[in-house]
Amino acid sequence: QVHLVESGGGVVQPGRSLRVSCAASGFTFSRHAMHWVRQAPGKGLEWVAVTLYDGSDEYYADSVKGRFTISRDNSKNTLYLQMNSLRAEDTAVYFCARDPWELPSVPDYWGQGTLVTVSS
Amino acid sequence: QSALTQPASVSGSPGQSITISCTGTTSDVGGYNYVSWYQQHPGKAPKLMIFEVSDRPSGVSNRFSGSKSGNTASLTISGLQAEDEADYYCTSYTVSGTLVFGGGTKVTVL
Repeated sequence: QVHLVESGGGVVQPGRSLRVSCAASGFTFSRHAMHWVRQAPGKGLEWVAVTLYDGSDEYYADSVKGRFTISRDNSKNTLYLQMNSLRAEDTAVYFCARDPWELPSVPDYWGQGTLVTVSS
Repeated sequence: QSALTQPASVSGSPGQSITISCTGTTSDVGGYNYVSWYQQHPGKAPKLMIFEVSDRPSGVSNRFSGSKSGNTASLTISGLQAEDEADYYCTSYTVSGTLVFGGGTKVTVL
């Protein structure tokens, strides 16, 4: 069955960088677009970014554009989110989620998330 | 990209039916059939309940149904049960190639 496991979260100071990862199993990773979605404490879901099945293109929310980079390594079945210039408002649980298609649509399966806390 | 509009809360008694609306624009909900609904219990990951407006994934109860009219999508839960108490989010693909979520609706079973 589809299994997504995020890792790499933690406490980081404002202005610093952090990379979170998502290990995928149970499906052919290279045939699916992949998303990052975040949820601030006590708040709703916010879409962050998506990468196409082959990593040839990606799209970002305005709130993270220019600071975050989504990437993937299909040889390792792993999705990444590089987060630079972090702000307090980036504090959230970061979920990776699988798209049912090669090109972006809407996610079907989600991981359990990893918590990123931006604080001095 | 503005969030889709959902009611903050909806409640119903066991056995009743409730409907949650999700209003967007022609650039998202009204323009695409990539509209999905998720259920989220506290501390858990979202679970897909409806995809492509009205389709149900395998394993999801047929008490959950989805529809769309113009720029508004809807999720109906019939025969409300205690286990349905959760937060529900709609999401849509957009003309920009991005996704947008609704603000979420807390469903309370009285």
